[in-house]
Amino acid sequence: QKEVEQNSGPLSVPEGAIASLNCTYSDRVSQSFFWYRQYSGKSPELIMSIYSNGDKEDGRFTAQLNKASQYVSLLIRDSQPSDSATYLCAAPSKTSYDKVIFGPGTSLSVIP
Amino acid sequence: DGGITQSPKYLFRKEGQNVTLSCEQNLNHDAMYWYRQDPGQGLRLIYYSQIVNDFQKGDIAEGYSVSREKKESFPLTVTSAQKNPTAFYLCASSAPGQNTGELFFGEGSRLTVL
Repeated sequence: QKEVEQNSGPLSVPEGAIASLNCTYSDRVSQSFFWYRQYSGKSPELIMSIYSNGDKEDGRFTAQLNKASQYVSLLIRDSQPSDSATYLCAAPSKTSYDKVIFGPGTSLSVIP
Repeated sequence: DGGITQSPKYLFRKEGQNVTLSCEQNLNHDAMYWYRQDPGQGLRLIYYSQIVNDFQKGDIAEGYSVSREKKESFPLTVTSAQKNPTAFYLCASSAPGQNTGELFFGEGSRLTVL
């Protein structure tokens, strides 16, 4: 199993719906997780971080971490066409904490 | 304004040539990283550095070299030994005391081998 895994998508949702992006991880990463958004042809930007079990909300974004299931998700409420991007899940390696590992990313398309 | 500057944005190279990608930051960040991204794929770590004059190999360091002579600068050389260098290269940094994983990225350098 890779350290951080994501469904590549594409995931398509209608405008105004909730988009749910998922990430699973192995025991080889530490349990701090980061969600990045990357528009086509651009560099990634950090949008959410989560360090403890449960939910963390920031505007229309909610990150959820379930350590028992080794599962982290990002929910986007009231999806907008401007949310169409690739979403990358990242975590530090457990063996080398300074090494940040990214998942392959999930492509999201919000249909007007 | 503070940020990370990568240059050039676009670079074309002939096979067998070495090229150096520049990464400069004025954020006073200690840690710097180089990632490679191929179309439709995530980021793969090439090299990273936590302090001046020290750096570590990432997952795909073969065919690449780096230096960290100054805190602000972390150039990446793509050597002729790199078998498939055409890719999007991203430089990132993180702040001292910041939680590892909170990275700031430059705009990237797109390398094409002709």
